[in-house]
Amino acid sequence: QVQLVQSGAEVKKPGASVKVSCKVSGYTLTELSMHWVRQAPGKGLEWMGGFDPQDGETIYAQEFQGRITMTEDTSTDTAYMELSSLRSEDTAVYYCVTGPTVGYVNWFDPWGQGTLVTVSS
Amino acid sequence: QSALTQPASVSGSPGQSITISCTGTSSDVGGYDYVSWYQQHPGKAPKLMIYDVSNRPSGVSNRFSGSKSGNTASLTLSGLQAEDEADYYCSSYTGSSTLVIFGGGTKLTVL
Repeated sequence: QVQLVQSGAEVKKPGASVKVSCKVSGYTLTELSMHWVRQAPGKGLEWMGGFDPQDGETIYAQEFQGRITMTEDTSTDTAYMELSSLRSEDTAVYYCVTGPTVGYVNWFDPWGQGTLVTVSS
Repeated sequence: QSALTQPASVSGSPGQSITISCTGTSSDVGGYDYVSWYQQHPGKAPKLMIYDVSNRPSGVSNRFSGSKSGNTASLTLSGLQAEDEADYYCSSYTGSSTLVIFGGGTKLTVL
């Protein structure tokens, strides 16, 4: 079964960038469709971006376009999410998740353990 | 795209049944049979409980069931147990550049 292990907590200053990693085991990264979802403290879930099997491309939610980059290193089966121009509202737990590799993005399973990113001056 | 609408909280006694609603629009919930539900215990990552409106992944109790009517999806938990106390989130495929949207979450309290 797929297991996702994320990097540790980060503290960043406003305007900086953060890069969160997600190590895959049980499968190879090429067999999976990766997405990122975040959750601000005490708030709900928010999809940030991921692989769309319909288009065969990684797409990003409008809110993050221009600030987010998702990459993959298939040699180490590690996915990355980099978010730039950080502001206090980006303080959240960031989750890597896997979705369907064909058809529509209709579920996310499993989820990584989450990485807390704190943006504070 | 606005978040899906869920009640902030629901409660029930052990053994009872509860239903959580998730209301969207014809562009998301009403337009696709791609609604999923997630359970999240405090400090933990969400867990997939229902996908494609009413399908349960392997290992999920059959006390969890899902349905949809028009722009509103529902999650029903029967035979409530203390361990069901958690936050529940719905999500829907949208077909737009924001592929998936979530509901605001519902806190389930088992009395």
